[in-house]
Order: sequence, then structure tokens, then C-alpha cells
Amino acid sequence: SQKIEQNSEALNIQEGKTATLTCNYTNYSPAYLQWYRQDPGRGPVFLLLIRENEKEKRKERLKVTFDTTLKQSLFHITASQPADSATYLCAGGGGYNKLIFGAGTRLAVHP
Amino acid sequence: EAGVVQSPRYKIIEKKQPVAFWCNPISGHNTLYWYRQNLGQGPELLIRYENEEAVDDSQLPKDRFSAERLKGVDSTLKIQPAELGDSAVYLCASSSTGTTSGNTIYFGEGSWLTVV
Repeated sequence: SQKIEQNSEALNIQEGKTATLTCNYTNYSPAYLQWYRQDPGRGPVFLLLIRENEKEKRKERLKVTFDTTLKQSLFHITASQPADSATYLCAGGGGYNKLIFGAGTRLAVHP
Repeated sequence: EAGVVQSPRYKIIEKKQPVAFWCNPISGHNTLYWYRQNLGQGPELLIRYENEEAVDDSQLPKDRFSAERLKGVDSTLKIQPAELGDSAVYLCASSSTGTTSGNTIYFGEGSWLTVV
């Protein structure tokens, strides 16, 4: 079945460092990948979209890559801050209007 | 601009009881989604509407779940009877069109259901 897999272990980093989160997809080829942020008790909030023909996308301190050979997307937060602490969800979309979400990776940025 | 509004935010019911959730999407958004999110998991699509038509309900457990979107705006999701395994967050979302082209989906804050 089509899957989006994210590291289930929490990522703990020091403030100011770059956080890198991984998203792998299996059994399908999404036309695009989206990244969302979800805070406890809140709904997901859209951050970035990258299409399969794009290698890299940037938005302020965020950077996303899409490697169709590795079937992987990397999500980077540079100069991380404690306010960046949240769960980050990767979602793959494309045909049939299906958007498949991963389980998310929890990021904790420590002062 | 108001976001996606859901109610109730929290609901605790006993098993076998009915429950209903309401959603008001962003004005002008034709596509409405209901997702279910279990603890520690990502959202899973239950049903998608294009205007008032349910175009994808393949993941909706039709024996106990029902949904409607009258007049193509607000939507309700009902569970009857509820089971212990239905405890989850029910997220409503909307977008201007479907997700084929990568349109952004806007989520509500969710309705937290606990079945005891």
C-alpha cells in the first residue's frame, strides 16, 4: 500500500542548530509533497509544498528537498528556535486527489 | 478571514451512544474533507466532498459513520453507535479545489472524541 514514513523518534536539538527531518515514500510516486506543522491540541498548518520536478524549495528559515531517486524529502529548519518545537507532518499527493500523511516527527528545540 | 470552524472541540460519550460533529469551511472553498487522527498518527481521510457531492468515501466505515454536506457549505459527521476504538481527533479541512494540483488544505482545530 502507499505509504509515507517519517522517523517516529523525537528529534532533540540545541537552539541555533539546523533541524533536519526525513520523509520517505513507498509504493507510489507522489506528484508533490507537503509539509505541515502541528502543535499539541491544534490542527495541522501548511508550511511548504514541493513538486516532483523541483529539487529544492525555500521559505524563510525553511528548506525542503525532493529526491525522486531516493524517494525521500528532507525538511530543514535553520537557526532553530524553541518556538519551532512541534510535530511536523509530511504528506504526499497527486492522483485521485489523495493526500497521504505520515505519522509525523516531533521536534524539540532546547534553549 | 475566518478559518475552518469545528464544534464541539471536546466530547466524551459512552460507547453505543451517538455523536455528531459540525464543520464550517472557509468561505468559497468547494472541497471539504473529514480526517481522523489517532494519537501519534497522521490524519487519515474519511470522506471528501466536492460541493455537496461525496466523491471519495472509501475509508468511511459506513456501518456506523455517516456524513452530509447540505447546500455545499457546512458539513456534519455522525457516528452511531460509537465504539471505544472511535476515540480520536476528527479534523475537518477545506481547500479551494481538490488536491491533485497541490492546493493547500486548511484544517480546523479538530473535535476530540473520547468514548468510554
